Amino acid sequence: EDQVTQSPEALRLQEGESSSLNCSYTVSGLRGLFWYRQDPGKGPEFLFTLYSAGEEKEKERLKATLTKKESFLHITAPKPEDSATYLCAVQAAHSSASKIIFGSGTRLSIRP
Amino acid sequence: GAGVSQTPSNKVTEKGKYVELRCDPISGHTALYWYRQSLGQGPEFLIYFQGTGAADDSGLPNDRFFAVRPEGSVSTLKIQRTERGDSAVYLCASSQISHNEQFFGPGTRLTVL
Repeated sequence: EDQVTQSPEALRLQEGESSSLNCSYTVSGLRGLFWYRQDPGKGPEFLFTLYSAGEEKEKERLKATLTKKESFLHITAPKPEDSATYLCAVQAAHSSASKIIFGSGTRLSIRP
Repeated sequence: GAGVSQTPSNKVTEKGKYVELRCDPISGHTALYWYRQSLGQGPEFLIYFQGTGAADDSGLPNDRFFAVRPEGSVSTLKIQRTERGDSAVYLCASSQISHNEQFFGPGTRLTVL
């Protein structure tokens, strides 16, 4: 069964303290792995899509990487406005061009 | 509008009542998705439309849930005989057929008393 597990569930950092969020996945053939940011009371906001092991993508203080079993979201010198829940999701190659399976997310809090 | 919109933003109903939730996708997006999100969890897939037809409804939990998209744009998620366990945030997303990125609306928070 396709599955996505994110860790830690919650992470509190001091402003400027770099860290990484983990997304472990089990899927029978990966079509794509997605990272989203979700603020309280809002829908998820798309960040990145990764398609193959070794691929990396960057946006401001965020960098996403992908291996055959997991993805990391690295956050460098975070600011309080980076506080949010970060969601990882996978789309399996065997699925229709539709179903995306989400993890439960990591709640990131950045203290000023 | 520039993004996906959903109405109402909040809906409170009583157990056993019927509710309709509306989604307006991004103009030009042919694919539309419904998800349900419970507190502390990631979104859970419900149904996917390609144009007017439901291409994948495998996530609908039971036959009380139904969704339509009659003209290939606006979609309505319908829930009959609501139960307290239906309380959640219902999210809609849309995408261009040639892209995988899904763009989400703000959601409708459904509370069943």
